[in-house]
Amino acid sequence: DAGVTQSPTHLIKTRGQQVTLRCSPKSGHDTVSWYQQALGQGPQFIFQYYEEEERQRGNFPDRFSGHQFPNYSSELNVNALLLGDSALYLCASSRRGALNTEAFFGQGTRLTVV
Amino acid sequence: AQSVAQPEDQVNVAEGNPLTVKCTYSVSGNPYLFWYVQYPNRGLQFLLKYITGDNLVKGSYGFEAEFNKSQTSFHLKKPSALVSDSALYFCAVSLRYSSASKIIFGSGTRLSIRP
Repeated sequence: DAGVTQSPTHLIKTRGQQVTLRCSPKSGHDTVSWYQQALGQGPQFIFQYYEEEERQRGNFPDRFSGHQFPNYSSELNVNALLLGDSALYLCASSRRGALNTEAFFGQGTRLTVV
Repeated sequence: AQSVAQPEDQVNVAEGNPLTVKCTYSVSGNPYLFWYVQYPNRGLQFLLKYITGDNLVKGSYGFEAEFNKSQTSFHLKKPSALVSDSALYFCAVSLRYSSASKIIFGSGTRLSIRP
Protein backbone atom coordinates (compact mmCIF):
# COMPACT_ATOMS: atom_id res chain seq x y z
CA ASP A 1 0.00 0.00 0.00
CA ALA A 2 1.65 3.22 -1.19
CA GLY A 3 -0.29 5.40 1.22
CA VAL A 4 -0.99 8.99 0.21
CA THR A 5 1.37 10.24 -2.47
CA GLN A 6 1.93 13.85 -3.46
CA SER A 7 3.82 15.40 -6.33
CA PRO A 8 6.03 17.23 -6.75
CA THR A 9 7.92 17.18 -3.46
CA HIS A 10 9.39 20.63 -3.98
CA LEU A 11 8.47 23.52 -6.25
CA ILE A 12 9.74 27.05 -6.79
CA LYS A 13 7.47 29.59 -8.48
CA THR A 14 7.52 33.32 -9.14
CA ARG A 15 4.97 35.76 -7.79
CA GLY A 16 1.93 35.99 -10.04
CA GLN A 17 2.38 32.53 -11.51
CA GLN A 18 -0.01 29.62 -11.17
CA VAL A 19 0.76 26.23 -9.63
CA THR A 20 -0.86 22.79 -9.60
CA LEU A 21 -0.17 20.24 -6.89
CA ARG A 22 -1.26 16.62 -7.13
CA CYS A 23 -2.40 13.98 -4.65
CA SER A 24 -3.22 10.30 -4.91
CA PRO A 25 -5.17 9.02 -1.92
CA LYS A 26 -4.53 5.85 0.02
CA SER A 27 -6.06 2.77 -1.56
CA GLY A 28 -9.71 2.44 -0.56
CA HIS A 29 -10.09 6.12 0.34
CA ASP A 30 -12.52 8.38 -1.49
CA THR A 31 -12.21 11.73 0.29
CA VAL A 32 -9.31 14.13 -0.14
CA SER A 33 -8.57 17.17 2.00
CA TRP A 34 -5.90 19.79 1.45
CA TYR A 35 -4.05 21.69 4.17
CA GLN A 36 -1.54 24.55 4.13
CA GLN A 37 1.24 24.48 6.71
CA ALA A 38 3.18 27.72 6.91
CA LEU A 39 6.57 27.69 8.59
CA GLY A 40 6.24 27.35 12.35
CA GLN A 41 2.49 26.83 12.25
CA GLY A 42 0.03 24.00 12.34
CA PRO A 43 -1.75 22.86 9.17
CA GLN A 44 -4.74 24.97 8.10
CA PHE A 45 -7.69 23.38 6.29
CA ILE A 46 -8.12 24.60 2.71
CA PHE A 47 -10.91 22.41 1.33
CA GLN A 48 -12.18 18.87 0.95
CA TYR A 49 -13.34 16.89 -2.07
CA TYR A 50 -15.69 13.96 -2.25
CA GLU A 51 -17.48 12.56 -5.29
CA GLU A 52 -15.63 15.10 -7.42
CA GLU A 53 -17.21 18.04 -5.60
CA GLU A 54 -15.90 20.52 -3.06
CA ARG A 55 -17.72 19.66 0.17
CA GLN A 56 -16.12 21.94 2.75
CA ARG A 57 -13.91 24.98 2.51
CA GLY A 58 -11.72 26.79 4.97
CA ASN A 59 -10.89 30.47 5.09
CA PHE A 60 -8.90 30.68 1.87
CA PRO A 61 -9.44 33.02 -1.09
CA ASP A 62 -10.84 31.95 -4.44
CA ARG A 63 -7.29 31.87 -5.82
CA PHE A 64 -7.20 28.42 -4.24
CA SER A 65 -9.21 25.91 -6.20
CA GLY A 66 -9.25 22.19 -6.62
CA HIS A 67 -10.47 19.23 -8.50
CA GLN A 68 -11.11 15.57 -7.83
CA PHE A 69 -11.01 12.95 -10.55
CA PRO A 70 -13.08 9.77 -10.90
CA ASN A 71 -10.15 7.73 -9.54
CA TYR A 72 -10.31 9.89 -6.36
CA SER A 73 -7.01 11.64 -7.01
CA SER A 74 -7.03 15.38 -6.56
CA GLU A 75 -5.34 18.59 -7.64
CA LEU A 76 -4.85 21.83 -5.79
CA ASN A 77 -4.49 24.93 -7.96
CA VAL A 78 -3.28 28.30 -6.75
CA ASN A 79 -3.49 31.31 -9.06
CA ALA A 80 -1.71 34.65 -8.85
CA LEU A 81 0.83 33.37 -6.36
CA LEU A 82 1.85 35.60 -3.48
CA LEU A 83 4.99 35.37 -1.36
CA GLY A 84 2.72 34.40 1.54
CA ASP A 85 1.62 31.28 -0.30
CA SER A 86 5.02 29.75 0.44
CA ALA A 87 4.27 26.75 2.63
CA LEU A 88 4.11 22.99 2.89
CA TYR A 89 0.91 21.76 1.27
CA LEU A 90 -0.42 18.55 2.73
CA CYS A 91 -2.97 16.21 1.25
CA ALA A 92 -4.98 13.93 3.51
CA SER A 93 -7.22 11.07 2.50
CA SER A 94 -9.98 9.26 4.31
CA ARG A 95 -12.93 7.01 3.59
CA ARG A 96 -16.31 8.61 4.04
CA GLY A 97 -18.46 6.63 6.40
CA ALA A 98 -15.53 4.72 7.84
CA LEU A 99 -15.52 3.95 11.54
CA ASN A 100 -11.90 5.01 11.83
CA THR A 101 -11.79 8.77 11.85
CA GLU A 102 -8.10 9.48 11.43
CA ALA A 103 -6.94 10.94 8.15
CA PHE A 104 -3.78 9.73 6.43
CA PHE A 105 -1.40 12.41 5.24
CA GLY A 106 1.05 12.54 2.38
CA GLN A 107 4.61 13.82 2.75
CA GLY A 108 3.61 17.19 1.37
CA THR A 109 4.71 19.54 -1.39
CA ARG A 110 7.03 22.35 -0.34
CA LEU A 111 6.10 25.43 -2.38
CA THR A 112 8.44 28.41 -2.41
CA VAL A 113 7.25 31.62 -4.06
CA VAL A 114 10.01 34.09 -4.96
CA ALA B 1 -15.12 29.17 17.37
CA GLN B 2 -13.26 25.95 17.88
CA SER B 3 -9.55 26.01 18.59
CA VAL B 4 -6.64 24.00 19.87
CA ALA B 5 -3.84 25.41 22.02
CA GLN B 6 -0.42 23.96 22.57
CA PRO B 7 1.13 26.29 25.16
CA GLU B 8 4.72 25.08 24.78
CA ASP B 9 6.67 25.73 21.58
CA GLN B 10 9.37 23.33 22.73
CA VAL B 11 9.75 20.59 25.32
CA ASN B 12 13.16 19.25 26.29
CA VAL B 13 13.51 15.89 28.06
CA ALA B 14 16.38 13.57 28.86
CA GLU B 15 16.25 10.10 27.35
CA GLY B 16 14.61 7.62 29.69
CA ASN B 17 12.58 10.28 31.52
CA PRO B 18 8.81 10.62 31.19
CA LEU B 19 7.51 13.25 28.81
CA THR B 20 4.33 15.31 28.59
CA VAL B 21 3.21 17.52 25.72
CA LYS B 22 0.29 19.73 26.66
CA CYS B 23 -2.87 20.44 24.69
CA THR B 24 -6.10 22.23 25.50
CA TYR B 25 -9.10 22.65 23.26
CA SER B 26 -12.18 24.77 22.86
CA VAL B 27 -15.11 23.32 20.95
CA SER B 28 -18.86 23.28 21.22
CA GLY B 29 -20.25 19.81 21.66
CA ASN B 30 -18.28 16.60 21.96
CA PRO B 31 -14.68 16.83 20.79
CA TYR B 32 -12.88 14.18 18.81
CA LEU B 33 -9.21 14.57 19.61
CA PHE B 34 -6.04 13.47 17.87
CA TRP B 35 -2.28 13.59 18.13
CA TYR B 36 -0.09 13.61 15.03
CA VAL B 37 3.70 13.62 14.74
CA GLN B 38 5.79 15.20 12.00
CA TYR B 39 9.40 14.25 11.30
CA PRO B 40 11.63 16.50 9.17
CA ASN B 41 10.63 16.56 5.51
CA ARG B 42 7.78 14.18 6.21
CA GLY B 43 4.02 14.44 6.35
CA LEU B 44 1.93 13.96 9.44
CA GLN B 45 1.72 10.54 11.04
CA PHE B 46 -1.25 9.57 13.19
CA LEU B 47 -0.39 8.66 16.81
CA LEU B 48 -3.68 8.24 18.64
CA LYS B 49 -7.25 9.46 18.98
CA TYR B 50 -9.97 9.94 21.55
CA ILE B 51 -13.54 9.41 20.42
CA THR B 52 -15.38 8.19 23.51
CA GLY B 53 -14.96 5.82 26.42
CA ASP B 54 -11.83 5.38 28.50
CA ASN B 55 -10.14 8.72 29.16
CA LEU B 56 -6.69 7.17 28.78
CA VAL B 57 -5.94 6.40 25.16
CA LYS B 58 -2.98 4.32 24.03
CA GLY B 59 -1.38 4.85 20.66
CA SER B 60 1.64 4.14 18.50
CA TYR B 61 5.28 4.00 19.66
CA GLY B 62 4.35 3.77 23.36
CA PHE B 63 2.54 7.10 23.47
CA GLU B 64 -0.68 7.66 25.39
CA ALA B 65 -2.94 10.62 26.02
CA GLU B 66 -5.35 11.51 28.78
CA PHE B 67 -8.66 13.19 28.01
CA ASN B 68 -9.85 15.51 30.77
CA LYS B 69 -13.25 16.99 30.00
CA SER B 70 -13.38 19.34 32.99
CA GLN B 71 -10.02 20.87 32.10
CA THR B 72 -10.63 20.57 28.33
CA SER B 73 -7.21 19.01 27.96
CA PHE B 74 -5.71 16.15 25.99
CA HIS B 75 -2.06 15.89 27.06
CA LEU B 76 0.28 13.49 25.29
CA LYS B 77 2.49 11.33 27.50
CA LYS B 78 5.15 8.66 27.34
CA PRO B 79 6.67 6.92 30.38
CA SER B 80 10.22 6.73 29.00
CA ALA B 81 11.42 9.02 26.20
CA LEU B 82 13.65 7.90 23.34
CA VAL B 83 15.98 10.08 21.27
CA SER B 84 14.00 8.93 18.23
CA ASP B 85 10.88 10.59 19.69
CA SER B 86 12.37 13.98 18.79
CA ALA B 87 9.93 15.53 16.33
CA LEU B 88 7.14 18.07 15.95
CA TYR B 89 3.88 17.07 17.62
CA PHE B 90 0.44 18.40 16.75
CA CYS B 91 -2.73 18.15 18.77
CA ALA B 92 -5.91 18.34 16.70
CA VAL B 93 -9.67 18.29 17.05
CA SER B 94 -12.47 17.25 14.74
CA LEU B 95 -16.00 18.44 15.21
CA ARG B 96 -17.78 15.34 14.05
CA TYR B 97 -17.25 11.64 14.37
CA SER B 98 -16.68 11.41 10.68
CA SER B 99 -13.76 10.69 8.46
CA ALA B 100 -15.00 13.54 6.32
CA SER B 101 -14.82 16.17 9.01
CA LYS B 102 -12.10 18.79 8.75
CA ILE B 103 -9.34 18.72 11.33
CA ILE B 104 -8.28 21.78 13.33
CA PHE B 105 -4.66 21.69 14.41
CA GLY B 106 -2.73 23.36 17.18
CA SER B 107 0.45 25.27 16.41
CA GLY B 108 2.68 22.34 17.31
CA THR B 109 5.24 21.51 20.00
CA ARG B 110 8.79 20.59 19.15
CA LEU B 111 9.94 17.71 21.34
CA SER B 112 13.68 17.35 21.83
CA ILE B 113 15.06 14.29 23.61
CA ARG B 114 18.70 14.56 24.68
CA PRO B 115 20.81 11.41 25.09
